[in-house]
Amino acid sequence: EAQVTQNPRYLITVTGKKLTVTCSQNMNHEYMSWYRQDPGLGLRQIYYSMNVEVTDKGDVPEGYKVSRKEKRNFPLILESPSPNQTSLYFCASSLSGTSGGLEQFFGPGTRLTVL
Amino acid sequence: GQNIDQPTEMTATEGAIVQINCTYQTSGFNGLFWYQQHAGEAPTFLSYNVLDGLEEKGRFSSFLSRSKGYSYLLLKELQMKDSASYLCAVRDLPDTGGFKTIFGAGTRLFVKA
Repeated sequence: EAQVTQNPRYLITVTGKKLTVTCSQNMNHEYMSWYRQDPGLGLRQIYYSMNVEVTDKGDVPEGYKVSRKEKRNFPLILESPSPNQTSLYFCASSLSGTSGGLEQFFGPGTRLTVL
Repeated sequence: GQNIDQPTEMTATEGAIVQINCTYQTSGFNGLFWYQQHAGEAPTFLSYNVLDGLEEKGRFSSFLSRSKGYSYLLLKELQMKDSASYLCAVRDLPDTGGFKTIFGAGTRLFVKA
């Protein structure tokens, strides 16, 4: 089944404890992206990747890191989480970042709480 | 600045037609998306417009006017299952290359019997 998977789905952690949220897609998509969703603010893009080893900042990259060493995986790293990073996180992918197949497929979401 | 506006909430009756508007002001523009998101679920793709005009896909249609920075999503023959949030998103092309996606806050649609 074609899908985007994220792990974990739920996480409660404490301030300052490094964590990684994994994202994987099995559709051979070039473009991958991370978003956070907060009430009243909608989805905001954190980082995106046009292809392997090509990443760039979205609108809210502070406090986050990403890497794209393989086409299928795009982990999101919080080196020192803070309570303002409590949010619902979505990973998404699309076939292309340039033309055709631009619609994004979203993972199921990761609900993160930082105490 | 970059801004995408859409109404916060709308209510419509089963079987009716509803139009959800979206206006945008972004530094670059290379297409507009509409996504549907049911409560507690991930967004799913509905439509993509890059040229002016109307795109029809079954009960759903989407319109774009680039000169006015305006789009709408039209839902016909509303069903209860259409109760969801509808997200307008613009494909922006930053100077650094690649493309960013900027989302509006979403319109929560309630369909009543």
